[in-house]
Amino acid sequence: DIQMTQSPSTLSASVGDRVTITCRASQSISSWLAWYQQKPGKAPKVLIYKASSLESGVPSRFSGSGSETEFTLTINSLQPDDFATYYCQQYSSFPWTFGQGTWVEIK
Amino acid sequence: QITLKESGPTLVKPTQTLTLTCTFSGFSLSFSGVGVGWIRQPPGKALEWLALIQWNDENFYSPSLRTRLTITKDTSKNQVVLAMTNMDPVDTATYYCAHRDLWHSFDYWGQGALVTVSS
Repeated sequence: DIQMTQSPSTLSASVGDRVTITCRASQSISSWLAWYQQKPGKAPKVLIYKASSLESGVPSRFSGSGSETEFTLTINSLQPDDFATYYCQQYSSFPWTFGQGTWVEIK
Repeated sequence: QITLKESGPTLVKPTQTLTLTCTFSGFSLSFSGVGVGWIRQPPGKALEWLALIQWNDENFYSPSLRTRLTITKDTSKNQVVLAMTNMDPVDTATYYCAHRDLWHSFDYWGQGALVTVSS
């Protein structure tokens, strides 16, 4: 199985901050990576697919980059609605696997 | 507009079989590249991918749960069913079904169904 490791596990930030979350794959996944945002009691929402493609309707302050084994999700100018948990997920090979999540909390 | 909704029991006893149904609209599971998957999330924990069935009847399972899972589709009813045998309290989780296409992993999700395993 491909292991996905996110860092940090928790991130404290203020409104307006630029935030970066990292996801590392235990082996190359090319660009087959998605980023999700999840709020308590809600289903995950896809933000980024194929590592850097912004899902339709997602604000442009969200961006993704990387390939092979190193990926980042960047949120420019953090907004109050962005405080949530973020997950990366590889879909390069089965079994698909998720990272352990990064909780972005209000500083 | 693509929508998915999970249905099934909210409470199952240990050793019982859980059967969850995902009823969807807005797409066809006979269309090339389309699939429906199941993901679960124990309370306060991370997401875990369980299974996927594709338009061409290929299916894939989490190796750690492979012997307990069966995923099937009924294209005429727009439904995907997940069966999980020998349920245990550690299987208590919210179970989601989700749509995928050629480029996305999961782009549309159901609201989730909380299943509690307890005697």
